[in-house]
Amino acid sequence: DGGITQSPKYLFRKEGQNVTLSCEQNLNHDAMYWYRQDPGQGLRLIYYSQIVNDFQKGDIAEGYSVSREKKESFPLTVTSAQKNPTAFYLCASSRDPWPQHFGDGTRLSIL
Amino acid sequence: AQSVTQPDIHITVSEGASLELRCNYSYGATPYLFWYVQSPGQGLQLLLKYFSGDTLVQGIKGFEAEFKRSQSSFNLRKPSVHWSDAAEYFCAVGEAAGNKLTFGGGTRVLVKP
Repeated sequence: DGGITQSPKYLFRKEGQNVTLSCEQNLNHDAMYWYRQDPGQGLRLIYYSQIVNDFQKGDIAEGYSVSREKKESFPLTVTSAQKNPTAFYLCASSRDPWPQHFGDGTRLSIL
Repeated sequence: AQSVTQPDIHITVSEGASLELRCNYSYGATPYLFWYVQSPGQGLQLLLKYFSGDTLVQGIKGFEAEFKRSQSSFNLRKPSVHWSDAAEYFCAVGEAAGNKLTFGGGTRVLVKP
């Protein structure tokens, strides 16, 4: 079955450390997205990519970076510049505008 | 700037009873509207979407939503709730240009036996 795979499910970050969250899709979708979810705040867009080798900042891109070297993959790096990284991170993809399929998320915590 | 308000943070409903979740949006142009459902610790699943046409849209799992332009609302309904409907529900509005979705804060639904 086609879908989106996010790994790891849980991740811990030490002070000053960069961590990378993986997102892979086998839906052959062009567009991919990263969202951050905090309790009671819904989802906020970090970055999105409509085609390979191209991506745009969302509403809260500071302290994050992405790459899109392959259609199937859209990894997110949470850098040490992100001072409040504890959150649930969701990756999504779509063929049409706006995300339609979501992965099961990665929960990031600070050690 | 666009925004979405879901006035109810929690709703408790008895199994078999009807459910209505409220969603109000603020957007200057014709809105593209969505409802998603999220089970605990999982990603979101698209229930239904409204782009144009008939203002009453049918979705998966027996849900429907009605777009009311005069009230800037897109409320989600289900005639008879099942225990498996316990989850968090998110309303969202999409920009016409670009791929941005703005989400509401969510409504958590609890189902009593």
